[in-house]
Parts: sequence; C-alpha cells; structure tokens
Amino acid sequence: DTAVSQTPKYLVTQMGNDKSIKCEQNLGHDTMYWYKQDSKKFLKIMFSYNNKELIINETVPNRFSPKSPDKAHLNLHINSLELGDSAVYFCASNQGQGSQETQYFGPGTRLLVL
Amino acid sequence: GNSVTQMEGPVTLSEEAFLTINCTYTATGYPSLFWYVQYPGEGLQLLLKATKADDKGSNKGFEATYRKETTSFHLEKGSVQVSDSAVYFCALLQNSGGYQKVTFGTGTKLQVIP
Repeated sequence: DTAVSQTPKYLVTQMGNDKSIKCEQNLGHDTMYWYKQDSKKFLKIMFSYNNKELIINETVPNRFSPKSPDKAHLNLHINSLELGDSAVYFCASNQGQGSQETQYFGPGTRLLVL
Repeated sequence: GNSVTQMEGPVTLSEEAFLTINCTYTATGYPSLFWYVQYPGEGLQLLLKATKADDKGSNKGFEATYRKETTSFHLEKGSVQVSDSAVYFCALLQNSGGYQKVTFGTGTKLQVIP
C-alpha cells in the first residue's frame, strides 16, 4: 500500500487556470506538508498542517491555498497559474508536531504551466 | 537560520568506485540529519538518518555519521552501482517555535557509469 499518495502525477495546464493537487497519507500521521522543487532540484517548504490546522506558511503567493478536510488529506489549490509555478510539488507527512520524526514523501506532482 | 550545504554535482563515478558526498550544516541545538534519494522521475525516498551526535545511519550499503564537532553528515558507499545513479539530498530537521521544519541541501546528482 502506498503510504503517501498524490494525484495527479502529471498536470499540464494553461496560464490563468485554477488547479488542485491532492495528497493522502495512510500512515496515521498528524502532520502534513507541501514542498516545491524547482528546475534546479531545490526543495522548499510551502505549508505545514497539524491536525487540520495551518502551522507553517512560508512566503508563498496567496494564489496557493492548502486545504485539509481531515488529518489524512492535504490538498493544494492554485489560482491563476503562472509560468513560474511550473515545478514538482511534493507532499509529505510525519507524526508529532514538535517531534523530530522522519518525514515520508509522496511521489510528486509534475506541474507544467504553458 | 538553518542551512545545509552539499557538494555540487554532478559526481560521475565508475561502477565499484568509492563514493563520498559531503554535507555540512548550520543549526543551533541538536537537529536530526537525513539523506534522501531521488531516482529519475520519482519522488524522494528516505535513505538513512541519524538523530544525535556520533550516530551512524546506514542503508543499502550507504553510511553517514553525525559529526557535531565538524557539523557534517557526509554520505559514503564503498562500491557504487549503476542503479545508485540518482540525486541525493542532505537535510536537517529541527523544532522551531513548537513545530518542526526541514531544511534541504541543493542536492548532488550522482552518475555511475558501467
């Protein structure tokens, strides 16, 4: 069984569109994250949720809005997509806000904005 | 703030060669340290970790020792294989303000040729 899953795996869309990426974890973790990996492979944290509550919100345009319907899901909605949003987006999860437990990553969603 | 510095790649080695990928970090306190691996077209996978000074993480023939005196966590493998070709990320995880934050290095691409 996949521990952290993301859909879709690939997403190609036009500038100005609104799209969502979904993430689900079946590990029973209480904390989930979104990361952005740019073309140079640099990984940067975007958001962190603990038990459906936003914990970390790095400097990310407000076109990006995370939504957590329950602690097993953290979806990422992006409005008015721009060319610079093209990247690979990774979801991750772990147990214990404030702990130093390992984060487990999803397979990534490759977003290409044309 | 925290930072992780990795040697720039790509690193190109012949099969069965010895591998070292250097990683140094800057952080206060006692972070946990990780190596993640990203195979072509795939997501991040945890390779190994160490949670305190002098701990040695190991997996699949790879090793890294948490050296607090030199703030380093260098990745080593005695004999690389073509299947080890991937991007390797050094990361540190630390609690900050009651929540945890992961800081990644920029990644080092390893190419192993037969």
